[in-house]
Order: sequence, then C-alpha cells, then structure tokens
Amino acid sequence: GESVGLHLPTLSVQEGDNSIINCAYSNSASDYFIWYKQESGKGPQFIIDIRSNMDKRQGQRVTVLLNKTVKHLSLQIAATQPGDSAVYFCASGAGSYQLTFGKGTKLSVIP
Amino acid sequence: NAGVTQTPKFQVLKTGQSMTLQCAQDMNHEYMSWYRQDPGMGLRLIHYSVGAGITDQGEVPNGYNVSRSTTEDFPLRLLSAAPSQTSVYFCASSYSQGINEKLFFGSGTQLSVL
Repeated sequence: GESVGLHLPTLSVQEGDNSIINCAYSNSASDYFIWYKQESGKGPQFIIDIRSNMDKRQGQRVTVLLNKTVKHLSLQIAATQPGDSAVYFCASGAGSYQLTFGKGTKLSVIP
Repeated sequence: NAGVTQTPKFQVLKTGQSMTLQCAQDMNHEYMSWYRQDPGMGLRLIHYSVGAGITDQGEVPNGYNVSRSTTEDFPLRLLSAAPSQTSVYFCASSYSQGINEKLFFGSGTQLSVL
C-alpha cells in the first residue's frame, strides 16, 4: 500500500523566517496531494492541495511544490508567525483510492 | 455554517461498554468518513460513505459499525469497547463522491477505554 512520510518530526523556526516542511510518498500513481494544519486539541484544517498535473501552487503565504520524479512534496510558509505553530500533515491519493496521511511534522515558531 | 460537528468531545468507557460517536455536517456533502488518530501514526480510515444508504470499510474497521440513513449524519458505533480503541476520532466530509477531494474535519472526540 501507499506510505507517506515526513522527513522531520519537529521543526523550529524564528518568527519572520520561511518554513519548509517536506513529505515523501511511495506510490508513483498518486495524483492528488494535500496539506493540513492541526492545532492542539483541534481537527485538521485544509491548507492547500495540488494535483499531479502541476508542479507548484500558491496560496496565502503558503506554497506547495511537487516533484514527481523523486516523489516528494514540500510546504513552504512565508514569514512564519506564532499562529503557524501546529502539526502539519501531508496526504496523497491515487485515483479512486483513499487518502493516505503522513505522521505529521510539529512546527514551533520561536518569537 | 457549522461545518462538521462531532459529539461528544471527550468520553471515558469501561472495557465492554458500547457507545455511539455522533457526526453531522450541514454542507450537503455526499462523502463522509471516520478516522482515528494515534500517537506517532497518521490518520487511519475506519469507515466511509459515499452517500445515504452506502457505507464501506476503510483500513481499520474491526470493532466499529457505521450507518448512513441521511446525508447529514454518519454515526460511528463501538459495540464492545476495548483498550486498543483508545484514540482520538475524527469525522470528515467532502463535496463529491470522488474520494480525492478536500476533506473537511470535525474537531474530534477523545476516547479513553479503561
């Protein structure tokens, strides 16, 4: 089955710096990718998604990059703020199969 | 617009007890699903539904039952709780029957089975 992993379990960044959270997936048939943010005691919140026909997609202060050659995607957060402190999950899906979620990276923002 | 609403937020059960976790959405979503979240693991799919009257098993269905009598509601039943079912449970929904669509999550139910 599909496995989705994150390179680092924790990430600490200074307020104002850019954050990069990485994710690797194993299924080359994956065609949909999504990032979620989960704050303590809350449910995951959608951040941004991307389909396999794109390499990059931008949102408000966030950018997702997809490299299908090495089966890797990343989430970039510009000008990281204290409110960005949370656990970030990636997930991927292939065709009609269910999304497979990664374990999460905990982002801590240092004021 | 409430989105996805889960109740209760916290629950403690004794081994062997039964209970139902409630989930309701007001977005007229066709697709609804239940996940469990355990420390050090990604979200794992328990059961899902692509519409009223249709349910199917996910990755970890054992010990859980679901039904979908209306578009809005998707309750998760634990028939005989076990300590291995101690977890945080999330209900999620999405607009279409297509599985690879943006999921909207509820705020979760933290369940402890003693």
